Amino acid sequence: AQSVAQPEDQVNVAEGNPLTVKCTYSVSGNPYLFWYVQYPNRGLQFLLKYITGDNLVKGSYGFEAEFNKSQTSFHLKKPSALVSDSALYFCAVRDIGGPGGSYIPTFGRGTSLIVHP
Amino acid sequence: EAQVTQNPRYLITVTGKKLTVTCSQNMNHEYMSWYRQDPGLGLRQIYYSMNVEVTDKGDVPEGYKVSRKEKRNFPLILESPSPNQTSLYFCASMGGRTEAFFGQGTRLTVV
Repeated sequence: AQSVAQPEDQVNVAEGNPLTVKCTYSVSGNPYLFWYVQYPNRGLQFLLKYITGDNLVKGSYGFEAEFNKSQTSFHLKKPSALVSDSALYFCAVRDIGGPGGSYIPTFGRGTSLIVHP
Repeated sequence: EAQVTQNPRYLITVTGKKLTVTCSQNMNHEYMSWYRQDPGLGLRQIYYSMNVEVTDKGDVPEGYKVSRKEKRNFPLILESPSPNQTSLYFCASMGGRTEAFFGQGTRLTVV
């Protein structure tokens, strides 16, 4: 079985400060990991993904995430937050190998990021 | 342009009146899925489909039906809607190594 945890319902950060949105996962095989962003009244938009290779993944809008296999984490980061980054962020995992492998993504419950001017 | 199209975007209906929410994708993806999003509950999967004529229940399938007669379409059917099905619904599709592509959402209100 696969699962994703986003331990924070809400993250508050001042504009210009670095931000981190946390995600940890559990899989029986190898993970594909994803981050999505949802702006109000919109669908989820893809930000970045880890499939294989370099543990530091760069994505849209200046976001990046680091895959840490030993800590089973995939935290989303940005060096300098913007007010326009305020949105709902979802982490997702697919377990693509091993006995519990699944094509189907599992999503976290989402973290609301609020960037204050 | 790669996209998932849902219709309608907004729908208000009465209890018991059958409705269908359509979903279509233009990426030739095999996998499609329906989710509902409710405050504090995140995304919950209703049904998914791995290919034409192959569908399976997700976490919250009660009160919903789906069909997958063509690869591009995956409609969500509510045979007898109830107020607890008031929610924001998303359709998504996905390829083998790709991320999921989401529709813009359908906000359904059942009165």
